[in-house]
Amino acid sequence: AQSVTQPDIHITVSEGASLELRCNYSYGATPYLFWYVQSPGQGLQLLLKYFSGDTLVQGIKGFEAEFKRSQSSFNLRKPSVHWSDAAEYFCAVGPYSGAGSYQLTFGKGTKLSVIP
Amino acid sequence: NAGVTQTPKFRILKIGQSMTLQCAQDMNHNYMYWYRQDPGMGLKLIYYSVGAGITDKGEVPNGYNVSRSTTEDFPLRLELAAPSQTSVYFCASSYPPSLGRANEKLFFGSGTQLSVL
Repeated sequence: AQSVTQPDIHITVSEGASLELRCNYSYGATPYLFWYVQSPGQGLQLLLKYFSGDTLVQGIKGFEAEFKRSQSSFNLRKPSVHWSDAAEYFCAVGPYSGAGSYQLTFGKGTKLSVIP
Repeated sequence: NAGVTQTPKFRILKIGQSMTLQCAQDMNHNYMYWYRQDPGMGLKLIYYSVGAGITDKGEVPNGYNVSRSTTEDFPLRLELAAPSQTSVYFCASSYPPSLGRANEKLFFGSGTQLSVL
């Protein structure tokens, strides 16, 4: 069964500091990896995804993530955090399949607080 | 440009009451999903649908029912509400996956916060 672990429940950073949110996954085949962001009172919005190819993927809002197969990780990074980045971040893994269901498994989330 | 619309935004139910959470999307997506989000637990898939007339159980289907009579609508039904169903419910939709298609993503509604007392 597929699973996702986000080891950090809550992270606080100062505005302008760099950020790395950790994500480890367990999946028996080629994974399809995602990072979603949820602002308070809102649904989830896709930041970026990894499907294949270049292991460093760029997303919206200046975020990037690196897929490391040997470490089963897909960590999210941002060089300089803005106050508007305060939100909850979810890593998710799904099957890479051309048929059948399309079910994502989400991590429990990491809440990011930003100090002005 | 509505995307995924969920109603109501908030609801309080008494134990044993029933209700339907509405979800509609205007993007002509085949796939639709219902998730519940509990504090500190991430999202759990309740039911999903791959097209009109086709539904299937997700990870936590007990206590819920769904139907998919049209491509646009995917309502979630709670027949006998229980306190354990207190949660935030999200509907989502997507294109179907296909090999080589790199633009799959879920489009989420803004959620329904449900309390069962």
